[in-house]
Amino acid sequence: GENVEQHPSTLSVQEGDSAVIKCTYSDSASNYFPWYKQELGKRPQLIIDIRSNVGEKKDQRIAVTLNKTAKHFSLHITETQPEDSAVYFCAASSRRALTFGSGTRLQVQP
Amino acid sequence: SQTIHQWPATLVQPVGSPLSLECTVEGTSNPNLYWYRQAAGRGLQLLFYSVGIGQISSEVPQNLSASRPQDRQFILSSKKLLLSDSGFYLCAWSTVMNTEAFFGQGTRLTVV
Repeated sequence: GENVEQHPSTLSVQEGDSAVIKCTYSDSASNYFPWYKQELGKRPQLIIDIRSNVGEKKDQRIAVTLNKTAKHFSLHITETQPEDSAVYFCAASSRRALTFGSGTRLQVQP
Repeated sequence: SQTIHQWPATLVQPVGSPLSLECTVEGTSNPNLYWYRQAAGRGLQLLFYSVGIGQISSEVPQNLSASRPQDRQFILSSKKLLLSDSGFYLCAWSTVMNTEAFFGQGTRLTVV
């Protein structure tokens, strides 16, 4: 089955800096890669996703890149703000349900 | 619009007691349904998924079971809870595989 590795597990940045979270996946058949944000005690919510026919996608301060050959994808957050502080999960989906990474706790210092 | 309801929000149960968590989806037909578990400070582990009534796929061997008695109802059960069953349980749905999954509010289960 699919295996998703996510790094780093924790990330602390200064407000206004950029943050990058990286994930790798194992199943070459995976074709859908969402990113979820989970605030403390809340449900995970989708912030951006990308499909395997696209190399990059951007939505305001958030961007995701995908390298199918290397089987890795990354989340980029620019101009970070304190409200970006949360746990971020990457996921990959092929023949069944989404397989999630272990999460990255992002702390944006004001 | 579609909504997902999951209850209860919190639950404290003694070791050896049974468990029943319920999840329902409104505003859509024949959704794919999922149960995930999140241990403290950990990622989301897929427990079960279902593509239709009575169709359950189990991802990991464990002390839990799932059932889908109706199209938009998904139930997570256990006959005898273990301490290791403690965690944050999340129900989710999607229209088909390989699309966005929408999560319920979660149930925080503490087994004592």
